Amino acid sequence: EDQVTQSPEALRLQEGESSSLNCSYTVSGLRGLFWYRQDPGKGPEFLFTLYSAGEEKEKERLKATLTKKESFLHITAPKPEDSATYLCALTGGFKTIFGAGTRLFVKA
Amino acid sequence: DGGITQSPKYLFRKEGQNVTLSCEQNLNHDAMYWYRQDPGQGLRLIYYSQIVNDFQKGDIAEGYSVSREKKESFPLTVTSAQKNPTAFYLCASRVGGVDQPQHFGDGTRLSIL
Repeated sequence: EDQVTQSPEALRLQEGESSSLNCSYTVSGLRGLFWYRQDPGKGPEFLFTLYSAGEEKEKERLKATLTKKESFLHITAPKPEDSATYLCALTGGFKTIFGAGTRLFVKA
Repeated sequence: DGGITQSPKYLFRKEGQNVTLSCEQNLNHDAMYWYRQDPGQGLRLIYYSQIVNDFQKGDIAEGYSVSREKKESFPLTVTSAQKNPTAFYLCASRVGGVDQPQHFGDGTRLSIL
C-alpha cells in the first residue's frame, strides 16, 4: 500500500534559521511527488512536482529534492511570511495520497 | 483569472438536513475531485470525476453524493447519512495525466448546528 509520512508535525524557526521538512514515502511506481503550501482557512497552493530520484526544483527560499525513499523541502533563511502548513503528496498508479503536513512557524 | 471557486465559505447543517457544496472551475480541466480535511490528517478523497456524466467513489464516499452534468461544475451533497460531517472540504481539478498536480479551491468549512 502506498504511504506518505511527513515529519516533523510542527517546526518553529527564528527568521533566517534554515531547516528542512521531510516526506518519507513508499510507493509501487512513482508517477509524481508534489509539494503544496496551505495557509489557514485556504486551499493548498501548488509549489513543485518531482518525478525521479536526484531531481531538484527551486523557488525563492524553497528547494525540493527527491530520493527513492524521501523528499525534502529545504527552506533557506526563512521569513515570517513563510509560516504555513506544507503538504507532500504523491501519485502511484492512478491515486494521489497526501501526507498530514508540517506546520511551520517562523518568528521575527 | 482562471481558478476554482468554492461556495459558501462557511456552512452550517442541522440534524437530518442535506447540504450542497458548490465547486466551479474555469480552467477547462477534465478531472475534478472532492477531499475532506480533518485536523492532523492528510486529505481524504470523497469522490472524483474524470469526465462529464461520470464519477467514482473515493475512500470515504459513504454519506456523500455528487453530480457532474457540466465540465466546469462538480457539486458535493453531504447527506443526513453522514454522521460526522464537520470538516474542511476542498475541491480540486487537474489537467492532463495523474502525473500532473491538482489545483485547489479555497474550501468550505461545514459545521453542525
